[in-house]
Amino acid sequence: AQSVAQPEDQVNVAEGNPLTVKCTYSVSGNPYLFWYVQYPNRGLQFLLKYITGDNLVKGSYGFEAEFNKSQTSFHLKKPSALVSDSALYFCAVRDGKDIFGKGTRLHILP
Amino acid sequence: GAGVSQTPSNKVTEKGKYVELRCDPISGHTALYWYRQSLGQGPEFLIYFQGTGAADDSGLPNDRFFAVRPEGSVSTLKIQRTERGDSAVYLCASSPGVGPLYGYTFGSGTRLTVV
Repeated sequence: AQSVAQPEDQVNVAEGNPLTVKCTYSVSGNPYLFWYVQYPNRGLQFLLKYITGDNLVKGSYGFEAEFNKSQTSFHLKKPSALVSDSALYFCAVRDGKDIFGKGTRLHILP
Repeated sequence: GAGVSQTPSNKVTEKGKYVELRCDPISGHTALYWYRQSLGQGPEFLIYFQGTGAADDSGLPNDRFFAVRPEGSVSTLKIQRTERGDSAVYLCASSPGVGPLYGYTFGSGTRLTVV
């Protein structure tokens, strides 16, 4: 069965520092990977996806993610964190439908 | 409409009652998905539709849960004989089609509380 794992429940980063939110995957066949963000009192929003091609994919709000086949990882990154990036982040793998990880809460400290 | 609309936003019901949750997807989106999210957890897949038909209902937890999309647009998730364990936020999402090209657009959810 396809699955993703987010090993960190919470990540704290100082504003202006780079951030990384980790995701590893387990799939049979080609992985189709997604990141979503959930801001307080708002619905889930699509950030970016990896289907094929370049290992570094760029998405909304300055986020990017690096696909690493050998490490079966798809970590979300941003070069300089903003306080407004504080939210709940979900990694997902597409298997007909999206199968989500349990989420990582990102706190950006002013 | 401009986004995915879910009604009601909140629903409190008594144990054993029947409830219906409605999802109005983005116009023209052929795929529609239902998820359930409990506190501190990621969204849990329930069912998805391609057009009017249920393409995958493997996530429905038992036969108390049922969903329809009779005209390929609005969908209703129906829960019979509700139990306290059904309390969660029910999320609906839509996309222009199935397959890996599309990210989902989610609604704000219906918070169901069974007392």
